[in-house]
Amino acid sequence: AQSVTQPDIHITVSEGASLELRCNYSYGATPYLFWYVQSPGQGLQLLLKYFSGDTLVQGIKGFEAEFKRSQSSFNLRKPSVHWSDAAEYFCAVGAWVDSSYKLIFGSGTRLLVRP
Amino acid sequence: NAGVTQTPKFRVLKTGQSMTLLCAQDMNHEYMYWYRQDPGMGLRLIHYSVGEGTTAKGEVPDGYNVSRLKKQNFLLGLESAAPSQTSVYFCASSFQGYGYTFGSGTRLTVV
Repeated sequence: AQSVTQPDIHITVSEGASLELRCNYSYGATPYLFWYVQSPGQGLQLLLKYFSGDTLVQGIKGFEAEFKRSQSSFNLRKPSVHWSDAAEYFCAVGAWVDSSYKLIFGSGTRLLVRP
Repeated sequence: NAGVTQTPKFRVLKTGQSMTLLCAQDMNHEYMYWYRQDPGMGLRLIHYSVGEGTTAKGEVPDGYNVSRLKKQNFLLGLESAAPSQTSVYFCASSFQGYGYTFGSGTRLTVV
């Protein structure tokens, strides 16, 4: 069955430090992969997506993610975190299930930024 | 440039009451989805639609019904609300199922 695992429920980093959020997926075919960010009380905003091609994808707000097929991973990175990056981050895999396409989400990682 | 609009944004219901959440999109998307978000559980798919007049069950459909009478609207109904349905509900739409656009959510409390 298709699934997405985000092993870290919370992560705390200092402002200016680098960030990596982990995401592992389970899907039999070539996956479509996404990272979304949710600020408190807000909806979900797409940070970046991977469909095919270059395995290192660039997104908005200085984020990037790398698709590693051998590790079934799609980790999100940012070289220098800003206080405004504090939010919850969701990894998702696009999967064809019952002849329909759906996004399957991980449980999220809450990022706290230390001043 | 509205995108996906959800109404209402907040609602408090008593157990057993009914209500309908409305999702409207102006992007001519075929696919529409209803998710619920609960702490520590991410987003779980309730129902979805791949086109006008079609609906299908997602991961957690029990206690909910949906209708897609018009392409731009996707309604989520609770016939008899229960405290377990206290959650934040998100609607999303997509073009051919690839990139999702989310609404800003409806926070529902059932007391």
